[in-house]
Amino acid sequence: SYELTQPSSVSVSPGQTARITCSGDVLTNTYARWFQQKPGQAPLLIIYKDTERPSGIPERFSGSSSGTTVTLTISGAQVEDEADYYCFSATDNIRMFGGGTKLTVL
Amino acid sequence: VQLVESGGGVVQPGRSLRLSCAASGFSFSDYGIHWVRQAPGKGLEWVALISYDGSNKYYADSVKGRFTISRDNSKNTLFLHMNSLRPDDTAVYYCAMIVDDFDMWGQGTMVTVSS
Repeated sequence: SYELTQPSSVSVSPGQTARITCSGDVLTNTYARWFQQKPGQAPLLIIYKDTERPSGIPERFSGSSSGTTVTLTISGAQVEDEADYYCFSATDNIRMFGGGTKLTVL
Repeated sequence: VQLVESGGGVVQPGRSLRLSCAASGFSFSDYGIHWVRQAPGKGLEWVALISYDGSNKYYADSVKGRFTISRDNSKNTLFLHMNSLRPDDTAVYYCAMIVDDFDMWGQGTMVTVSS
């Protein structure tokens, strides 16, 4: 079965760099997206095509890819970045989300 | 420019429900649209995708054979027909357009499957 694996939680202090990984065999031949979701809100696209940032997304958010793993990096994390983060990808006829990572900035 | 879901509610196990997603402010018939759900306190789960013209439909294994995605481009509306509902289908259901560098989500509609 296809799946994307993320750590359940990551914790950093304000100003530090947060890294969230997403692993899965499908990532070797397909792009990933990253979504941010804050409590009570719909998700928001913050990275597409592994490394691209939509307009309006702060430059501190970046993405990278290597083999079966994609990584979301938040450089100089801020308190307002505290949220759940999900990777999203596709293969054949299936789309899938990773299990999500709760980022704590404290 | 928005997507607005409706049709959620409380339903008994084994019964059916139809969700709707009304689109406005953009050319609805040009885009594929997803249904994504989120159980209380849980992560996002992709449910289904329909192509811009309705000719291609894709489903998560967890709903295949029970849910049907459809669309009426003349009414700018997306549907999710849910049959044989189970307690583990309880979730907020979102419709979402996810295209290249752009995404748009509705506010979600809550479906509770309980006797």
